[in-house]
Amino acid sequence: QQQVKQSPQSLIVQKGGISIINCAYENTAFDYFPWYQQFPGKGPALLIAIRPDVSEKKEGRFTISFNKSAKQFSLHIMDSQPGDSATYFCAASGFGATNKLIFGTGTLLAVQP
Amino acid sequence: ETGVTQTPRHLVMGMTNKKSLKCEQHLGHNAMYWYKQSAKKPLELMFVYNFKEQTENNSVPSRFSPECPNSSHLFLHLHTLQPEDSALYLCASSQDFTNYGYTFGSGTRLTVV
Repeated sequence: QQQVKQSPQSLIVQKGGISIINCAYENTAFDYFPWYQQFPGKGPALLIAIRPDVSEKKEGRFTISFNKSAKQFSLHIMDSQPGDSATYFCAASGFGATNKLIFGTGTLLAVQP
Repeated sequence: ETGVTQTPRHLVMGMTNKKSLKCEQHLGHNAMYWYKQSAKKPLELMFVYNFKEQTENNSVPSRFSPECPNSSHLFLHLHTLQPEDSALYLCASSQDFTNYGYTFGSGTRLTVV
């Protein structure tokens, strides 16, 4: 119940294309869903986050889509650029016993020029 | 210096050695975390400190010993490690343990030989 399942494991996208990474969770107590971006040699950095009271959040080229009934959320990167090449992690947490961040396994994104 | 700083960046140690990892945050946060990052696995939460008090030990073997002398510093003391402990060890901080805005350091790449 504490797991967050992430797919795909790796993704290759052409420059200008749309990158889509999906995550699913089981624990309905989760109420915060962030995405982290990690470049080689660096720690993960918060990219964008959403709470379940909205179905979509957009920040620049990055959009989170959230489906509460399906317990799924996804990251969309529009107009993908080579500089977006990194590992992306979804995560989930909630108040109380679930308040620690639970991470997915990560998606290695390569954007080809 | 700002953010979360981890030292050393790389560490190679024998199984009989004793070493320590250091983490320092300059963000005024009150919660600090140790995570283990292994290839193709989710980030594993190891320890949580909130206002210098350990609030979580995620079933971590006793060969890993954390220390939090104040809210700005966190250590991970290592002794008699195993080769499977080789991983990237990440430190993170947040305002407090109910705040999910984690800031990660760049990590210490540990190799046990």
